[in-house]
Amino acid sequence: EVQLLESGGGLVQPGGSLRLSCAASGFTFSSCAMSWVRQAPGKGLEWVSSISGSGGSTSYADSVRGRFTISRDNSRSTLFLQMNSLRAEDTAVYYCARRPSGAVIGPFDYWGQGTLVTVSS
Amino acid sequence: EIVLTQSPGTLSLSPGERATLSCRASQSVTSTFLAWYQQKPGQAPRLLIYGVSSRATGIPDRFSGSGSGTDFTLTISRLEPEDFAVYYCQQYGSSPRTFGQGTKLEIK
Repeated sequence: EVQLLESGGGLVQPGGSLRLSCAASGFTFSSCAMSWVRQAPGKGLEWVSSISGSGGSTSYADSVRGRFTISRDNSRSTLFLQMNSLRAEDTAVYYCARRPSGAVIGPFDYWGQGTLVTVSS
Repeated sequence: EIVLTQSPGTLSLSPGERATLSCRASQSVTSTFLAWYQQKPGQAPRLLIYGVSSRATGIPDRFSGSGSGTDFTLTISRLEPEDFAVYYCQQYGSSPRTFGQGTKLEIK
């Protein structure tokens, strides 16, 4: 069974940093591109960042480029999102999501339960 | 960036009725890279449809997707009580991957 379990969310002051983790199980982690998608309270979904299975290719939304860094440790089947210079508008539930195994282009077929990040003084 | 506009914002129907949700793109969606997700309160989104019309694993056949180019539709043939939720379309053929703003399907 595919499982994605996020952690690391919490309350942080504007300008602060936070590192999110997503522990994966039930599939060959290194075969799947992974992404972070966020959802501000009461709002819709926003793609944040993606990383290829090998970790060699990354992409970011304009809203986070230069502040957030996505990475992965395939030996530990874990995805990360380092978030720096956080702003109030980064407040959201952050989901990790999987692209189907072997898919160069694909939807998000499995999602974690999300971790809440609140940026406030 | 491809902007996806979903309509209506809220759809009020009764169990057993047919639901038709629309997703319009600001420019043509690459190939068939259009998906639909269902989200219930307090839960993560769930993939329903990918490639415009292919159902994801375990999705009942009352859910169907159609469309091409810039106009796409999610149809639920006969609503069950568990279908009342928010539905999002997403294009994943162009970067950035974008979502529509959602359609809330509520019980009438």
